[in-house]
Amino acid sequence: EIVMTQSPATLSVSPGERATLSCRASQSVSSNLAWYQQKPGQAPRLLIYGASTRATGIPARFSGSGSGTEFTLTISSLQSEDFAVYYCQQYNNWPPKYTFGQGTKLEIK
Amino acid sequence: QVQLQESGPGLVKPSQTLSLTCTVSGGSISSGSYYWSWIRQPAGKGLEWIGRIYTSGSTNYNPSLKSRVTISVDTSKNQFSLKLSSVTAADTAVYYCAVDGYNGGGDAFDIWGQGTMVTVSS
Repeated sequence: EIVMTQSPATLSVSPGERATLSCRASQSVSSNLAWYQQKPGQAPRLLIYGASTRATGIPARFSGSGSGTEFTLTISSLQSEDFAVYYCQQYNNWPPKYTFGQGTKLEIK
Repeated sequence: QVQLQESGPGLVKPSQTLSLTCTVSGGSISSGSYYWSWIRQPAGKGLEWIGRIYTSGSTNYNPSLKSRVTISVDTSKNQFSLKLSSVTAADTAVYYCAVDGYNGGGDAFDIWGQGTMVTVSS
């Protein structure tokens, strides 16, 4: 099983500042990596797929980078609506056994 | 715009079978080449992929749940379903249905249902 490890568990950032979230895979997943945002009581929302491609309707302040085992989600200038939990997910396996990271909670500083 | 909606009992007794259905609206479950998945999330915890079904009916399951999971599709009703047998309290979670790539999201889950809470308790 590919284990996804996110850091930090909680990140405190002020509105308007940049946030950088990390995700590490226990083995290479190439660029088969997605990022999701989840707010309380809501389903996750896809932000980034293919490690760096923004999903439909996602603002340009969200960007993803990395390949192999190290990935980063950057939010360039935090808006109030960006405070949420963020998950990374790999979809590299065959046969598929998709796995998610444990999440990073982005909170207002 | 395709939408997904989960439905099913919110309370299941231990050792029984959990059964949920995901209804697809705004599009056909049998059009295109998509995988339709079930994912769950215990309260306050992370996400776990349960399994998926292709429109042809072929399935893939999470090995940790494979012995207890069955996912099926009913194209006439535009639905796919989850059955999880021999449930315990550890199966208590919000269950989501999702599809990958329907909205151009590659192989990631780009459309999700709102989720349905299932509690396993006597």
